[in-house]
Amino acid sequence: DSGVTQTPKHLITATGQRVTLRCSPRSGDLSVYWYQQSLDQGLQFLIQYYNGEERAKGNILERFSAQQFPDLHSELNLSSLELGDSALYFCASSLATSHEQFFGPGTRLTVL
Amino acid sequence: QQPVQSPQAVILREGEDAVINCSSSKALYSVHWYRQKHGEAPVFLMILLKGGEQKGHEKISASFNEKKQQSSLYLTASQLSYSGTYFCGTERNSGGYQKVTFGIGTKLQVIP
Repeated sequence: DSGVTQTPKHLITATGQRVTLRCSPRSGDLSVYWYQQSLDQGLQFLIQYYNGEERAKGNILERFSAQQFPDLHSELNLSSLELGDSALYFCASSLATSHEQFFGPGTRLTVL
Repeated sequence: QQPVQSPQAVILREGEDAVINCSSSKALYSVHWYRQKHGEAPVFLMILLKGGEQKGHEKISASFNEKKQQSSLYLTASQLSYSGTYFCGTERNSGGYQKVTFGIGTKLQVIP
């Protein structure tokens, strides 16, 4: 158990819909990262927050947005969902960027 | 920019050694290594900072050549438990902040 929690574990929805994925980082960690992993694909970095502020952006689509709240939990919002958005979404947390990242169990999103 | 990992896949017999390489075209601050077993979240192995330091984790060690922007992960006397996908993450400065980008991974299978 990494100490990072993600909800829900599974999400099945239809194209065009909007979903919100939630992540609670490890106690004491200020950085939160979001990754997308499609079948047999690597970890695609989406976005990083540090203590409530956006720190770095990766290949995040305009249809996706995220935020980190004052209690440091984070949410990833995916809208106008397409079939290709089906993937495993991981959240990770760390004390700071140059530190070990602890990954949550992931949320598996299926878009039908 | 995504680092390049090689090989993409490797099959070993128990007890054999393997090397996984990771290279980047950009100057790096550090290199991170993670292992992901099938159906699980990635797990941290080690971070190598600038300085060419070689680090170890049981029978898994790694080196980082900052001048060549390359890192290698060495697995010696492989065990069945080493099976999984190995990801390198390269950390570099992006927009004034450090950012980690992962490669597509190297699939390692250890067979009896």
